[in-house]
Amino acid sequence: DTAVSQTPKYLVTQMGNDKSIKCEQNLGHDTMYWYKQDSKKFLKIMFSYNNKELIINETVPNRFSPKSPDKAHLNLHINSLELGDSAVYFCASSHSGTGDTQYFGPGTRLTVL
Amino acid sequence: GESVGLHLPTLSVQEGDNSIINCAYSNSASDYFIWYKQESGKGPQFIIDIRSNMDKRQGQRVTVLLNKTVKHLSLQIAATQPGDSAVYFCAEGLIYNQGGKLIFGQGTELSVKP
Repeated sequence: DTAVSQTPKYLVTQMGNDKSIKCEQNLGHDTMYWYKQDSKKFLKIMFSYNNKELIINETVPNRFSPKSPDKAHLNLHINSLELGDSAVYFCASSHSGTGDTQYFGPGTRLTVL
Repeated sequence: GESVGLHLPTLSVQEGDNSIINCAYSNSASDYFIWYKQESGKGPQFIIDIRSNMDKRQGQRVTVLLNKTVKHLSLQIAATQPGDSAVYFCAEGLIYNQGGKLIFGQGTELSVKP
């Protein structure tokens, strides 16, 4: 009964490759998010989507392209991976984008070699 | 951007004691505050939230206190248990900010000794 799920759990890849992380929520929420957590545990929002529409883009490099095929899915595609992209990426969802609890997925640990 | 500075702040308590985790938030306009718990290898898990029209809110074994004058938030955990060991994050936001942007604090690692 996973509420917010992400695949894969771990992703190890070489610099310059392109990779995708998938996220799905079965909570019926309208808003989904991507966060990045660095090695010091600092957690920062990257994007938010409301009902498939991009609402927040926190000056993330355009190598990162989120895609929302429907409101239950928000995938993250990363082109030309760099060493500094190594982090844990969390997907989250909330009922709406206004003061509602955000529920996080289990995270995807991306390691770029 | 990335966080800077030293290691994650750590709080070590004895099982059964009360824990207090503090957080300074940055935006005086923020009106929504949340505490999350993150266990090793897992995603952040919601604990409790509070809106700016309140200064105290209680849950099961947890209490959040908000002091808007000094932009300070605290999380009190009563009778701390080994299962409470985790990293705790405060987050701030604006209720009616479309998009639901939350700004997370640095995090505090709570270690409970049996």
